[in-house]
Amino acid sequence: AQSVSQHNHHVILSEAASLELGCNYSYGGTVNLFWYVQYPGQHLQLLLKYFSGDPLVKGIKGFEAEFIKSKFSFNLRKPSVQWSDTAEYFCAVNVRTGAGANNLFFGTGTRLTVIP
Amino acid sequence: DAGVIQSPRHEVTEMGQEVTLRCKPISGHNSLFWYRQTMMRGLELLIYFNNNVPIDDSGMPEDRFSAKMPNASFSTLKIQPSEPRDSAVYFCASSLLGGGNNQPQHFGDGTRLSIL
Repeated sequence: AQSVSQHNHHVILSEAASLELGCNYSYGGTVNLFWYVQYPGQHLQLLLKYFSGDPLVKGIKGFEAEFIKSKFSFNLRKPSVQWSDTAEYFCAVNVRTGAGANNLFFGTGTRLTVIP
Repeated sequence: DAGVIQSPRHEVTEMGQEVTLRCKPISGHNSLFWYRQTMMRGLELLIYFNNNVPIDDSGMPEDRFSAKMPNASFSTLKIQPSEPRDSAVYFCASSLLGGGNNQPQHFGDGTRLSIL
């Protein structure tokens, strides 16, 4: 069965520090990859997505992620975090088929706390 | 544009009572997903519909939970009878079915359910 692993449960950084959140998935087929962010008390919002093409994907708010197929990874990065990036970050995967199996498999999330 | 609309935003009720959560997907979206989020278990997919038809309900915890989608613009998640362990935030999400399943999901604000 497909699974998504996020290695860090809670990351604490000072403002201006660089961020990298790990995400690995366990499916050998062709996948679509997503990162969602959930700010405190809010719903999940899409940060970025990868379907095909350039494996380095740029999203909103200065975030980017790199798809490394050989490592089954899709790590999220930001060169300099801000206090407003404090949130929970979810990696998600779905299998690229034409059969309408468009459900997402979510990781358990990584809570990011940025200290001013 | 209106996003995914969920109601109520908060519900507090006594155990044993019936609870009905409602969701209006984004107009034109033809996939709808129900998730449950708790501290212990993270984000869990309960059930999803494509074109109003339930595709996968394997995440529904037990027979006390049921979901319906009578038309393209409305879905309900019902818990009867409710138990304290059902306390969680329930999110509804919608997306467009697309070739390759590459459409992102858009989430509602969630219903925070507390069962006393």
